[in-house]
Formats: sequence, structure tokens, C-alpha cells
Amino acid sequence: EVQLVESGGALVQPGGSLRLSCATSGFTFSTYNMNWVRQAPGKGLEWVSHISSNGNTIYYADSVKGRFTISRDNAKNSLYLEMNSLRAEDTAIYYCARSWTYWGQGTLVTVSS
Amino acid sequence: EIVLTQSPGTLSLSPGERATLSCRASQSVSNNYLAWYQQKPGQAPRLLIHAASSRATGIPDRFSGSGSGTDFTLTISRLEPEDFAVYYCLQYGSSPFTFGPGTKVDI
Repeated sequence: EVQLVESGGALVQPGGSLRLSCATSGFTFSTYNMNWVRQAPGKGLEWVSHISSNGNTIYYADSVKGRFTISRDNAKNSLYLEMNSLRAEDTAIYYCARSWTYWGQGTLVTVSS
Repeated sequence: EIVLTQSPGTLSLSPGERATLSCRASQSVSNNYLAWYQQKPGQAPRLLIHAASSRATGIPDRFSGSGSGTDFTLTISRLEPEDFAVYYCLQYGSSPFTFGPGTKVDI
């Protein structure tokens, strides 16, 4: 069974940092592209970042470029999102997704003083 | 950036009726890489359709997708009570990948 479990969400002050993790199982992680998608409270879905299966191709949404860093560890079957210089508008549930098929249940990031 | 526009914003229907949801792109979607998702409150999105018209694994055949280029449609042939939800389209043909604002299907 394919499973994706996000963790690392928390309440953080503006300007702070956070690292999200996505632990996966039930499939060969190293062969799939991965994405982070977020959803602000009561709002729609927003794509955040993409990383190819081997980590060589990375894309970011303009809203997070220069502040967020996506990475993966294929030996640990895990995906990460390093978030710096956090703003109130980064408050959202963050989902990891295997390509575009399977999604985790999300982890909540709240940026507030 | 490809902007996706979904219409209508809200669709008020009854069980058993047919639902037709539209997703229009500001420019052609590469390889027709257009997906449809269903999302219910408190849940992660669920993939219904990928590559414009391919049903995802386990999705009932009352859900169908069509279209190409810039105009895409999700059709639910006969609404079941569990189909009342928000539906999003996503283009994943070119970065930045973009979602539409969603269509709420309610009773």
C-alpha cells in the first residue's frame, strides 16, 4: 500500500524557519518525481515545488523561490522541504504528492507572532 | 504561467443529475497533462482523471474527462451523495504547475 506521511508542521514566528519531511512506503521512491502542494485555510490548492526522481530537476513557485528548498533522500525514501524567511501568507496545510497520483494527509504550518 | 479558470464557481444539483465542470487554460496545456481532483472537507485531494481523459485507479466510471489544448471538461454522469465536494483541475505539462480555483458541487 502506498503511504506518504508528512511531519514537521508547527507554529512559527514570521521570519522563522521550518523543515518538513515526507516519509514514504509501499513503492519504489527513487523512481518517482515528487511535489509539495499547499492549501491555505479555506482556500484552494497551490503548487509549491517539484523534484525529479534523481533530484536533478527542481522547480519552485515564484511565491517561495529563494526561501524554500526541496530535497530528497532516496536511501531513506523521504522528501523534504526546508522553509526559511517564513511569512504569514505561508500559513497552510502542506501536502507531499507522489507525482500527481498519491497524496499524504498534510501537515499544518502556521506563521504568526 | 498557465492560468486555469474553472466554471461555474458553484454547481447546485441533486443526486442522480448530470454534472458538467469546465476548466479553461490561458494557453495550450502541454501533452494535455490536465488532471482533475476531488476534495472533501478535512481530506487530501483525490485524483480522479489524469492526462485529460484517463480515469485513475479505482475511480467509478460515472466520472469522465474530455478535452484538449485549452478546454477541458469533467463530467459526472449521475451524481451520488458522496460526489458533493470541491473539484480542482491541475495542469502539470509545464512549470510552474497550476491549479484552477475550484468548482463546488453542492446540493
